[in-house]
Amino acid sequence: AQKVTQAQTEISVVEKEDVTLDCVYETRDTTYYLFWYKQPPSGELVFLIRRNSFDEQNEISGRYSWNFQKSTSSFNFTITASQVVDSAVYFCALSEGSDSWGKLQFGAGTQVVVTP
Amino acid sequence: NAGVTQTPKFQVLKTGQSMTLQCAQDMNHEYMSWYRQDPGMGLRLIHYSVGAGITDQGEVPNGYNVSRSTTEDFPLRLLSAAPSQTSVYFCASRPPGAGFNFTQYFGPGTRLTVL
Repeated sequence: AQKVTQAQTEISVVEKEDVTLDCVYETRDTTYYLFWYKQPPSGELVFLIRRNSFDEQNEISGRYSWNFQKSTSSFNFTITASQVVDSAVYFCALSEGSDSWGKLQFGAGTQVVVTP
Repeated sequence: NAGVTQTPKFQVLKTGQSMTLQCAQDMNHEYMSWYRQDPGMGLRLIHYSVGAGITDQGEVPNGYNVSRSTTEDFPLRLLSAAPSQTSVYFCASRPPGAGFNFTQYFGPGTRLTVL
């Protein structure tokens, strides 16, 4: 069963608009880790953030912010004042604490298209 | 540090051919893994290794072999390529342990087409 759901396949915005990417996860573990990765058109995977299940503080890094809500099993990602360079596929991923190796389980990804 | 490197970047094979995708890391990470990326499916784990001499299967291991003779290298072998193996392959590594060390770092990927 899919443990990470990214319901939005593609989001198109005009530059300077805000965009929020949804991520819903499923796990029975009390310890787990959530990640966001960015895949620009060049194809590499860029690590953006890791959040553990015990830290529900929201985080802001420049124009990026993340909203972690255990009550709704969501870890949403917002890009404020989007720029063309934000055009990419964004993946949400889960590692469960019961898996000592820390396998990443990915969502299907959300394509963000930012037009000038 | 070069991080995680993969070769080749692109490869075209005919059905039934064999080849090895190379992966190397210079961060002294014990944990290494191979994922494949297919449209609409995110990345799926093929094989992983927790150290030299130790490998295990992931979610989609069929058609692939791995070995780990050194900490640095983790090659992925396709013994008899099939069109279903057309994909983008990513190698990743991370240090051992849990928590903070669960963050995996990915190579640039290999785009493989099997005709």
